[in-house]
Amino acid sequence: EIVLTQSPATLSLSPGERATLSCRASQSVSSHLAWYQQKPGQAPRLLIYDASKRATGIPVRFSGSGSGTDFTLTISSLEPEDFAVYYCLQRSSWIPNFGPGTKVDIK
Amino acid sequence: QVQLVQSGAEVKKPGASVKVSCKASGYTFTGYHIHWVRQAPGQGLEWMGRINPDNGGTKSTQKFQDRVTMTRDTSISTAYMELSSLASDDTAVYFCARDGNDFDYWGQGTLVTVSS
Repeated sequence: EIVLTQSPATLSLSPGERATLSCRASQSVSSHLAWYQQKPGQAPRLLIYDASKRATGIPVRFSGSGSGTDFTLTISSLEPEDFAVYYCLQRSSWIPNFGPGTKVDIK
Repeated sequence: QVQLVQSGAEVKKPGASVKVSCKASGYTFTGYHIHWVRQAPGQGLEWMGRINPDNGGTKSTQKFQDRVTMTRDTSISTAYMELSSLASDDTAVYFCARDGNDFDYWGQGTLVTVSS
């Protein structure tokens, strides 16, 4: 089973700041990695798929990079609505699995 | 527009079963797998399994494979997930998600509470 590790667990930032979230896989997942945003009481929302492709309707301030085992989600300038939990998901094996999440909260 | 609408909240006793539905609209139901993901209170996301609505084929993790049954009714574009032998640690929100570009559309979630 491929294990995903996300860091940091919590990121405390102010609106307008840059957020950099990391997702590391225990073995290569090529580019088969996605990022999701989840707010309390809501379903997850797809942000990035195939490591770097923005999903439909996702603002350009969200970008993804990486391949193999190391991936990054960057939010270039945090908006108030971006404070949420972010999960990565690997699709390399037939058993998809999620990372434990990074909470981005207001400093 | 693509929508997945799930059935309402359930309260079950330990040992019982629950069946959650996921009605799809706005796209060709048989063209995309449907996945089931759950989230215990205050916890992360856990993949449970998926169904191919075209042929009914399913895959699930070893953790759930003896207790989960995934089915579909193509005539009404609806997928179902039934979980048996419920225990208190099955209390969670259960989501269905369409497998387009990864899990691109999600249902609103169904809270299943297991309590005696």
